[in-house]
Amino acid sequence: AQSVAQPEDQVNVAEGNPLTVKCTYSVSGNPYLFWYVQYPNRGLQFLLKYITGDNLVKGSYGFEAEFNKSQTSFHLKKPSALVSDSALYFCAVRDDAGNMLTFGGGTRLMVKP
Amino acid sequence: NAGVTQTPKFQVLKTGQSMTLQCAQDMNHEYMSWYRQDPGMGLRLIHYSVGAGITDQGEVPNGYNVSRSTTEDFPLRLLSAAPSQTSVYFCASSQTGGQTYEQYFGPGTRLTVT
Repeated sequence: AQSVAQPEDQVNVAEGNPLTVKCTYSVSGNPYLFWYVQYPNRGLQFLLKYITGDNLVKGSYGFEAEFNKSQTSFHLKKPSALVSDSALYFCAVRDDAGNMLTFGGGTRLMVKP
Repeated sequence: NAGVTQTPKFQVLKTGQSMTLQCAQDMNHEYMSWYRQDPGMGLRLIHYSVGAGITDQGEVPNGYNVSRSTTEDFPLRLLSAAPSQTSVYFCASSQTGGQTYEQYFGPGTRLTVT
């Protein structure tokens, strides 16, 4: 069975500083990895995905993620955080058949002015 | 395009009552799914469908039924509501073809069972 772990319930950063939100996964076969963001009282929005190719994936709103196969990690990063980046972030992995998306527990990002 | 729409936005049920959560998408997506979101547990898949007439169970299907008579609609039925079903429910859709497509989520339905 596949699984996703987000080891930090909350990450606090100052505006302008770089941010990292951690994610590790377990899946048989090739990993198909996603990051989603959820703003208060809203549905999830897609940020970026890793399917194959370059280990550094660029996505929406200046976010990027680094895929590391040996460490089974897919950490979300941004060089300079904004207060408006404050939200709940979810990492997810899809199975080989593509039918089931498994989410991590989520990490709340708080960016302080 | 409206994307993925869900109704109602909020619902309060008494234990034992039944209801249907509606979900519709106008993107001609073959794949649709239902999740529940509980604090600290992320989103868990309830049921999914890879096309009209085809449904399958996800991680937490007990107490829920689905059907897919059209490409656009994917209702979720609670047969006999229980307090453990208090949650926020999200519907999502994506193109079929498996692993590579991201999902588009609706705004959610907040359900309270008393």
